[in-house]
Order: sequence, then structure tokens, then C-alpha cells
Amino acid sequence: SAVISQKPSRDICQRGTSLTIQCQVDSQVTMMFWYRQQPGQSLTLIATANQGSEATYESGFVIDKFPISRPNLTFSTLTVSNMSPEDSSIYLCSVEGGNHINEQFFGPGTRLTVL
Amino acid sequence: KQEVTQIPAALSVPEGENLVLNCSFTDSAIYNLQWFRQDPGKGLTSLLLIQSSQREQTSGRLNASLDKSSGRSTLYIAASQPGDSATYLCAVKPRDDKIIFGKGTRLHILP
Repeated sequence: SAVISQKPSRDICQRGTSLTIQCQVDSQVTMMFWYRQQPGQSLTLIATANQGSEATYESGFVIDKFPISRPNLTFSTLTVSNMSPEDSSIYLCSVEGGNHINEQFFGPGTRLTVL
Repeated sequence: KQEVTQIPAALSVPEGENLVLNCSFTDSAIYNLQWFRQDPGKGLTSLLLIQSSQREQTSGRLNASLDKSSGRSTLYIAASQPGDSATYLCAVKPRDDKIIFGKGTRLHILP
């Protein structure tokens, strides 16, 4: 299985600021995703991080608010821009890989609180 | 459009009991189904993955079944322990599309 690390594990930020979350995988993976989990809710896919090209965003999410970088097959960043309290969530990095094609693995998450 | 439903939303059982968590999905054209565990404020841990051609998978005290034609999966936990307390998420991967999650079942094992 793929081992995924995220930094930071948690942060408390002020309204109007931006936070960049890093995701590192221990092996090269093709598919990498970013999810948001708001308090008490299930996971919502923000975007697919594409290596060497712009990320593919889901409905309701835009690049200006959630810019994503994917410089190589083991690393990605998600920035939450111009934050508001509504952005308080757990942000999760995920990859497809491992022994089974299309098995999905998740990082430990970044717990963001916006004041 | 594929929808995934998990019942019950929450469950409390005494330690030592066997229990079953249910997952249903509306479109049987899936590539696989995964069960995850999530502890509060943490990421997801993959428990079991069942390919569409399989009927069940087992790992330790966990057994997951898949009935694709009826759109149902169950996660069976034997001899439950307080450490099993967590939220359990079911997710299906449609062919040529991204994984879709249920809302989860919050499980509390009473010591």
C-alpha cells in the first residue's frame, strides 16, 4: 500500500490568509486527489492533481480558491486561499495505487480551523 | 447517478458482540467497493477492497461481502472491541469515474 504524509497536520489561521498543504507519497503514483471533509460530513472531492498540467476541479471548486501544484509523481500541494470560517475542514490527500489497481489510499489529513 | 447509502448512521453495541454494517448503491456497474475506517479528526484507513468479480474479502475479524446485482455490501465485525470504535465508510468506484462515498456509520463499542 502507498504511504502518504501531509504537512501540516493541523493549523489555526486568520480570515483572509492562505495556507498551503503538502502531500508526499512514498512511491510514484499516477492519480492523486484532494478532498475536503467538513465537520460531521462525508468526503467531498475538490480536484484531481495532474502531473505536468492544470488540476481538474469538481463542480463548486475553482482554481483561484484552491490552487494545486503537482510537480512530480510523488508530491502535490493544495493552497486554501483567502480563507473564511467556512473553509474550516479536514483536507485529505489521496492516491490510487498499491497491489490493486484503483485501490485508494488516504493521508492522515490536515485539520484547518479558520477564525 | 450513483448514490451510496449507509445504514445505520450510528450504532452502539456492547463489547464482544458480532455486528454488521450495511452499504447500498444504486448502480451495479462498479469497478470495486472499498470499506474504510476513520478515527475522529484523522485520515481514512483502507480496510478491505472487493473487486466487482469477487463476492467477499476477509481480514482478521473483518469480513466484507458484495452482492453487485442487488447493490449491497456488508461489513461484518466479529467479537467487537472498544478499539473498533470509529466511523466506517463505504465507497464504490464506478467504471471510468471517481470513487463515491457513503456518509458513514459511526460505531461505538461499549466496554
